[in-house]
Amino acid sequence: GAVVSQHPSRVICKSGTSVKIECRSLDFQATTMFWYRQFPKQSLMLMATSNEGSKATYEQGVEKDKFLINHASLTLSTLTVTSAHPEDSSFYICSARALGGDEQYFGPGTRLTVT
Amino acid sequence: RKEVEQDPGPFNVPEGATVAFNCTYSNSASQSFFWYRQDCRKEPKLLMSVYSSGNEDGRFTAQLNRASQYISLLIRDSKLSDSATYLCVVNPPMLYQLTFGKGTKLSVIP
Repeated sequence: GAVVSQHPSRVICKSGTSVKIECRSLDFQATTMFWYRQFPKQSLMLMATSNEGSKATYEQGVEKDKFLINHASLTLSTLTVTSAHPEDSSFYICSARALGGDEQYFGPGTRLTVT
Repeated sequence: RKEVEQDPGPFNVPEGATVAFNCTYSNSASQSFFWYRQDCRKEPKLLMSVYSSGNEDGRFTAQLNRASQYISLLIRDSKLSDSATYLCVVNPPMLYQLTFGKGTKLSVIP
């Protein structure tokens, strides 16, 4: 149980384009989903927390107009990186927290390369 | 003081060795504690939750000392497959977010 999927697993895009990443909880309902970013040899950095049906809460320094988050259902959250730049190239990982639980379960991540 | 601090590593140990990782956290009101492992270029995976009474899962033992704000992970009889980065993770009070340590890299050598 507690499986989280992410799509796509890898994407290469040109500078200035937008990329959408999907995060799905497959066998449980996730009231809260989280989006992280991890640069090489760095720890995971929380970007935003998204609750189903409400606006996401962004961490300090994360531009909400650049990283659009939509949590339309209890099993799906999307992150759209708008007007991507090479410095946005990173490993983006989502996680989901089940209702009443403390643990977070992570998706397999999306490796974004902006050329 | 950083919110979650871990041994910097890397730890290079032979197969069969016992290895211990330590972690300290700054928020004394933190409620939940976890160890995750992360393989290279992969997502973190929950290894075990850490309880006040300590808990064991096979070769892995986790301990929590709330007075010292200290968490440990002991791995006995190390296997090659244990090679990974081990992340100490804390759930601050009143928040759903997790706070991650930078991780300690373990390499188990044949």
